[in-house]
Amino acid sequence: DQQVKQNSPSLSVQEGRISILNCDYTNSMFDYFLWYKKYPAEGPTFLISISSIKDKNEDGRFTVFLNKSAKHLSLHIVPSQPGDSAVYFCAASLSSFGNEKLTFGTGTRLTIIP
Amino acid sequence: GAVVSQHPSRVICKSGTSVKIECRSLDFQATTMFWYRQFPKQSLMLMATSNEGSKATYEQGVEKDKFLINHASLTLSTLTVTSAHPEDSSFYICSARKAWDRGNEQFFGPGTRLTVL
Repeated sequence: DQQVKQNSPSLSVQEGRISILNCDYTNSMFDYFLWYKKYPAEGPTFLISISSIKDKNEDGRFTVFLNKSAKHLSLHIVPSQPGDSAVYFCAASLSSFGNEKLTFGTGTRLTIIP
Repeated sequence: GAVVSQHPSRVICKSGTSVKIECRSLDFQATTMFWYRQFPKQSLMLMATSNEGSKATYEQGVEKDKFLINHASLTLSTLTVTSAHPEDSSFYICSARKAWDRGNEQFFGPGTRLTVL
């Protein structure tokens, strides 16, 4: 049972435009969400997170939006740059504290076209 | 910073042998480390949660006698794949949480590619 889903396995975006990556979850108990970026044969790199008490969190070119009623979150990257080409994983946790494990989505491969 | 290293980065072994993978937090203390495996084009699957000084907590379906985890210090956790078989071939990734950190961010190592012949 995939509790965190990324329905788009791949996405191509023109350099300079906005990249929007989507993520849906089924467990309403999740209250902390994270986005990771991963290059081939490397470990994931933390990008940005959001707690369920917020609906938006921004860090530079990255913004994460959370819609709790829809159980949906998205990552916006603007402007998109060639170095953003990677696989992006969203992850969810039952808590922002403690040693709660992360449940990962299946990933979306983002390709930025120069 | 939050740098996590893994050693080795790549290992090839014969079926039936045991392989040890080390995960180290280089610039922070980690009371909790996690071990994942990733199959090609699939998500990261959590194998176990490792707490310093105590027994690891394994996810359902993961054989604890096959995947031995030791977290002897605040900066080192090891995963030993015992009696490895070809189906154990995978990409193994560890992550660590900072001790005393209020957030739940995990910082990942670069991964270890295990190939069992």
